[in-house]
Amino acid sequence: NAGVMQNPRHLVRRRGQEARLRCSPMKGHSHVYWYRQLPEEGLKFMVYLQKENIIDESGMPKERFSAEFPKEGPSILRIQQVVRGDSAAYFCASSPRDREETQYFGPGTRLLVL
Amino acid sequence: GDSVTQMEGPVTLSEEAFLTINCTYTATGYPSLFWYVQYPGEGLQLLLKATKADDKGSNKGFEATYRKETTSFHLEKGSVQVSDSAVYFCAGEGGGNKLTFGTGTQLKVEL
Repeated sequence: NAGVMQNPRHLVRRRGQEARLRCSPMKGHSHVYWYRQLPEEGLKFMVYLQKENIIDESGMPKERFSAEFPKEGPSILRIQQVVRGDSAAYFCASSPRDREETQYFGPGTRLLVL
Repeated sequence: GDSVTQMEGPVTLSEEAFLTINCTYTATGYPSLFWYVQYPGEGLQLLLKATKADDKGSNKGFEATYRKETTSFHLEKGSVQVSDSAVYFCAGEGGGNKLTFGTGTQLKVEL
């Protein structure tokens, strides 16, 4: 059973460009979570999604950030008009269909904004 | 809101030394508690967890006991190895499927 997949693993963008980060949950998992890890800090919750629904986006910045988890395909975290402060590691996690508290993490996407 | 406080690092130990990394949590209820480990350049791996008071989570020689009276979940290992060098994160899940993480403790084990 493959783990949580994220791509790309590394992404470099210039200020003002868009960044798209993809996450494929573990097989059988329909709950997806995105976290951001700033340098030298712990992970901060951003958003929790189920298929075609955003359940909790209380950790998402109000502007430029959006997330989706379509019926088919991976979950996407989209950052528009990136700024240097967006440079961070973005981790995706997934958990099974039933209410299950253990979240399994992907390897992360390291975004660098020049 | 919920918060998790863990011991600041870095922690440097000699191989076979005893390890303790402190973690305390603040929450309105009694959250499930986790320890995750992050090796350089990788994502987080679940190390162990406990879902209720007095539960003990254990894995790969690491242990942590959920202490309700002290709101703590300290990570311990009796004899560390060089391969245990990593960053360790304590986390709580108090509802809403949202994990709250501590800032992480870097462990370096030397020969």
